[in-house]
Amino acid sequence: QVQLVQSGAEVKKPGSSVKVSCKASGGTFTSYAISWVRQAPGQGLEWMGRIIVMFATTNYAQKFQGRVTITADESTSTAHMELSSLTSEDTAVYYCATDGPNIAAADNWFDPWGQGTLVTVSS
Amino acid sequence: QSVLTQPPSASGTPGQRVTISCSGSSSNIGINTVNWYQQLPGTAPKLLIYSNNQRPSGVPDRFSGSKSGTSASLAISGLQSEDEADYYYCAAWDDSLNGWVFGGGTKLTVL
Repeated sequence: QVQLVQSGAEVKKPGSSVKVSCKASGGTFTSYAISWVRQAPGQGLEWMGRIIVMFATTNYAQKFQGRVTITADESTSTAHMELSSLTSEDTAVYYCATDGPNIAAADNWFDPWGQGTLVTVSS
Repeated sequence: QSVLTQPPSASGTPGQRVTISCSGSSSNIGINTVNWYQQLPGTAPKLLIYSNNQRPSGVPDRFSGSKSGTSASLAISGLQSEDEADYYYCAAWDDSLNGWVFGGGTKLTVL
């Protein structure tokens, strides 16, 4: 049974970057993809991007292209999401989720999810 | 503005059956499977229905999903007070956007 544990809450200044980690345990890290989803206060879910761990290939939502980088470290079974040029609109809870069970996403689902990491952007 | 369209709210009385709709297009629901997630206040979303109508182990059979054309539905029968304050989100892969898309979420109220 895969479990995802994310890093702790962050407070960042506008214009800076944040890197959130997501450590997997209980499964084979390279068997699936990891997606990142965020949720602004009182808002819905927004997909940011995914990484196919086995091939280290990524694709990102157009909204975040050029500002987000998703990586995976097989040696530590940890995925990372880095978001740059932060503004107050990036204040949100950021979730990682196992995006599987296939390499191609079309018939996949998110299960399980990490517990979420609150990122607050404030001057 | 979400790519998938859900009603912002739904309601029912205890024991009643409630349905939540999710409308998409030919590039997402029309050609790919739909998943549903349940989110309790202050917690991470949890998979409720996958591949249109499959329940993960542990999900009660009073939750069911269906899909027809470019729309999908989540049905909750035997509504319980504990279902209140939950948000329900639909999601599907969009081939045109090459990414996952979500509905805006539906808040369930038990009257």
